[in-house]
Amino acid sequence: AQTVTQSQPEMSVQEAETVTLSCTYDTSESNYYLFWYKQPPSRQMILVIRQEAYKQQNATENRFSVNFQKAAKSFSLKISDSQLGDTAMYFCAFILRGAGSYQLTFGKGTKLSVIP
Amino acid sequence: NAGVMQNPRHLVRRRGQEARLRCSPMKGHSHVYWYRQLPEEGLKFMVYLQKENIIDESGMPKERFSAEFPKEGPSILRIQQVVRGDSAAYFCASSRTGTGATNEKLFFGSGTQLSVL
Repeated sequence: AQTVTQSQPEMSVQEAETVTLSCTYDTSESNYYLFWYKQPPSRQMILVIRQEAYKQQNATENRFSVNFQKAAKSFSLKISDSQLGDTAMYFCAFILRGAGSYQLTFGKGTKLSVIP
Repeated sequence: NAGVMQNPRHLVRRRGQEARLRCSPMKGHSHVYWYRQLPEEGLKFMVYLQKENIIDESGMPKERFSAEFPKEGPSILRIQQVVRGDSAAYFCASSRTGTGATNEKLFFGSGTQLSVL
């Protein structure tokens, strides 16, 4: 069974600063996908970024980037130039490639507060 | 193009009542997933359905919970004889195909918050 661990229940960052959210996972498989989802107070789950495990290059999406360390089973999210709208819960998630269904495994989340 | 629509947004039930949660997937999507989010927890997979078929219900509690996705109409998650421990946010998600393929995306609704008194 796969597990996802987010060790930081809460974090805060000053507006315009950079923050890194941590995620580790455990699997014996080598082919999988990793995700970061954002859940603002509206409760909507929004995909922030996605990483394929077979790609060595770290994924980036505008101000969001990841540091994917496959050997260490680590998948951290860096948010640059933090904005007030980034305030939300952030969930790290995992799925086996070719799983046959979108059965994501989520971590417990990190609550990020951006301070003006 | 409307996203995944869930209703109601909030549902209050007394212990022993039935709860029915509805989910209309995105247009063109025939694969539906239900997830449950307990307080202070991440989302946990419950069930995966295609039209008229349950594909994977490995995350569903064995009793009181059922799900369907009929040929016409929304997907329904049904909880019979609710208990306080059922209080949670229930999320529906949909995709065009059912796999975690490279270009596939999963779209979530805004969830239904079930409160059991």
